[in-house]
Amino acid sequence: GNSVTQMEGPVTLSEEAFLTINCTYTATGYPSLFWYVQYPGEGLQLLLKATKADDKGSNKGFEATYRKETTSFHLEKGSVQVSDSAVYFCALKGSARQLTFGSGTQLTVLP
Amino acid sequence: GAVVSQHPSRVICKSGTSVKIECRSLDFQATTMFWYRQFPKQSLMLMATSNEGSKATYEQGVEKDKFLINHASLTLSTLTVTSAHPEDSSFYICSARTPGQGDNQPQHFGDGTRLSIL
Repeated sequence: GNSVTQMEGPVTLSEEAFLTINCTYTATGYPSLFWYVQYPGEGLQLLLKATKADDKGSNKGFEATYRKETTSFHLEKGSVQVSDSAVYFCALKGSARQLTFGSGTQLTVLP
Repeated sequence: GAVVSQHPSRVICKSGTSVKIECRSLDFQATTMFWYRQFPKQSLMLMATSNEGSKATYEQGVEKDKFLINHASLTLSTLTVTSAHPEDSSFYICSARTPGQGDNQPQHFGDGTRLSIL
């Protein structure tokens, strides 16, 4: 079946540091890939997505590139802010059209 | 647009109580809603898919008599945890899919319900 493996947290960075959260997946066919963000006490919000190989999703300074050859979709941001502190989930949607989530990575950005 | 409201946000109750959680799509009609459960420091696990006007489809290992789902209208789905026990304590999140062709429409998530059973 489908699965998503995500870098374990928690991750603690200083403001303006570079962020990478690794995500790899296992799926049959050609899944769509997503990053969701969950701020404290809130539900999930779609951060970015990519629907085919080599696509780059981007939003709010975050980027992730769909790499089929390495089955990866790593999340990056060049300069994090305190307001980026949240839990980040990598997810895929495969042929069954259901979302499969990674375990989430807690990010804390210190001022 | 595409706002999903979930209520209540937090509930604390005694063991044996049944608890109802509502999920509403406020500005769109959702023929399909999803219910997830999130354990501490773990990911979201899909519990069931709720389709308006028909029975919910439960994932393997989810007790349908324990977790009753009703999707009586295009804007409302409810999850009732019957005779809740401490092991049912968790964070429950719903999502609704915006209408459109096929299953590739985006899902929009509610803010979740923190359920604590004493």
